[in-house]
Amino acid sequence: GENVEQHPSTLSVQEGDSAVIKCTYSDSASNYFPWYKQELGKGPQLIIDIRSNVGEKKDQRIAVTLNKTAKHFSLHITETQPEDSAVYFCAASKVRGFQKLVFGTGTRLLVSP
Amino acid sequence: GAVVSQHPSWVICKSGTSVKIECRSLDFQATTMFWYRQFPKQSLMLMATSNEGSKATYEQGVEKDKFLINHASLTLSTLTVTSAHPEDSSFYICSAFDRQGGIYNEQFFGPGTRLTVL
Repeated sequence: GENVEQHPSTLSVQEGDSAVIKCTYSDSASNYFPWYKQELGKGPQLIIDIRSNVGEKKDQRIAVTLNKTAKHFSLHITETQPEDSAVYFCAASKVRGFQKLVFGTGTRLLVSP
Repeated sequence: GAVVSQHPSWVICKSGTSVKIECRSLDFQATTMFWYRQFPKQSLMLMATSNEGSKATYEQGVEKDKFLINHASLTLSTLTVTSAHPEDSSFYICSAFDRQGGIYNEQFFGPGTRLTVL
């Protein structure tokens, strides 16, 4: 089955810096890669996603890149703000929405003012 | 976006009792719902997938007789933890998906239910 690894487990940055979180997956049949932000005591919220026919997607300060050959995808957050502090999870799935998601291990991002 | 609610948001129960958690899709019909369990500082682990009107499909290692899932309507799924023990204490999260080609094409997550078994 699919296995998703995520690095780093914790990431501390200063406000205004960029943050990069990386994930690798094992199943070449996976074609949908969402990223979730989870705040303490809450459920995960989708922040951005990418499908396998696209190499990069951007939404304001957030971008995701995908390298299907290497089975890598990354989340990039620019101009970080303290409210970006949360746990971020990557995930992989074969079909958007319907099929089960396999989550990475999570990255705790701390943005210091 | 679509809204998924869970009730209760937290529950404390004694060992040996059963606890029911509800997951509702508030503004769309959820043909498929997923139940996850998350231990402190860990990732979400899928427990089971439920489709409206049919039996749930459980992931390997999840006891179906202990974690009873009912998805009797297009807006409600329930997870019942039977004979709960302290090791069942966890954060339970559901997600909902409209498989019938509605306007939403992604999983929407509920806010989670924290279960503490004494």
